[in-house]
Amino acid sequence: SQKIEQNSEALNIQEGKTATLTCNYTNYSPAYLQWYRQDPGRGPVFLLLIRENEKEKRKERLKVTFDTTLKQSLFHITASQPADSATYLCAPGDTGRRALTFGSGTRLQVQP
Amino acid sequence: DVKVTQSSRYLVKRTGEKVFLECVQDMDHENMFWYRQDPGLGLRLIYFSYDVKMKEKGDIPEGYSVSREKKERFSLILESASTNQTSMYLCASSPDRDSYNEQFFGPGTRLTVL
Repeated sequence: SQKIEQNSEALNIQEGKTATLTCNYTNYSPAYLQWYRQDPGRGPVFLLLIRENEKEKRKERLKVTFDTTLKQSLFHITASQPADSATYLCAPGDTGRRALTFGSGTRLQVQP
Repeated sequence: DVKVTQSSRYLVKRTGEKVFLECVQDMDHENMFWYRQDPGLGLRLIYFSYDVKMKEKGDIPEGYSVSREKKERFSLILESASTNQTSMYLCASSPDRDSYNEQFFGPGTRLTVL
């Protein structure tokens, strides 16, 4: 069955450093992958989408990579700030399938 | 901005009660979803709907039903609430099938079943 793995342990980094979060998937060949941010007690908010034919996508301080050979996506936040502290969820998807399957998320804590 | 609203932020019910959770979206989206979120288990899809009166089971539909009588409104029904249904419930919507299905989430309802 499909499996999505995100590091369940929190990632603690110092302000100004680059945070790198990992999303691995198995038994799956998604056409794209989405990343969401979730703050405590709130619903997730969409951040970025990367398609299978794209190696890298950037948006401001965010960068996402998608390696279909390794079955992995990496999510980077450069020059991290305490306001970036949140849980980040990955969600692989297929075109033509309306529903997404979400990973359980990785909590990022940026220390000032 | 797309807005997805949920009827309650917090709800406390007793075992055996029938519970209705309401979700409304204002962007004419075709698709609407109900998830529950539990620590360590992430977001799990309960049901989704791709049109009025149409629905499909997600990964964990047991103990739940849904209703979509109008395009903007999607209701989740717990026919007989049980303590193991204590959870955070999140509603989401997304545009049509041809898009890459970015989902817009509501603020969530934290349901406690006593």
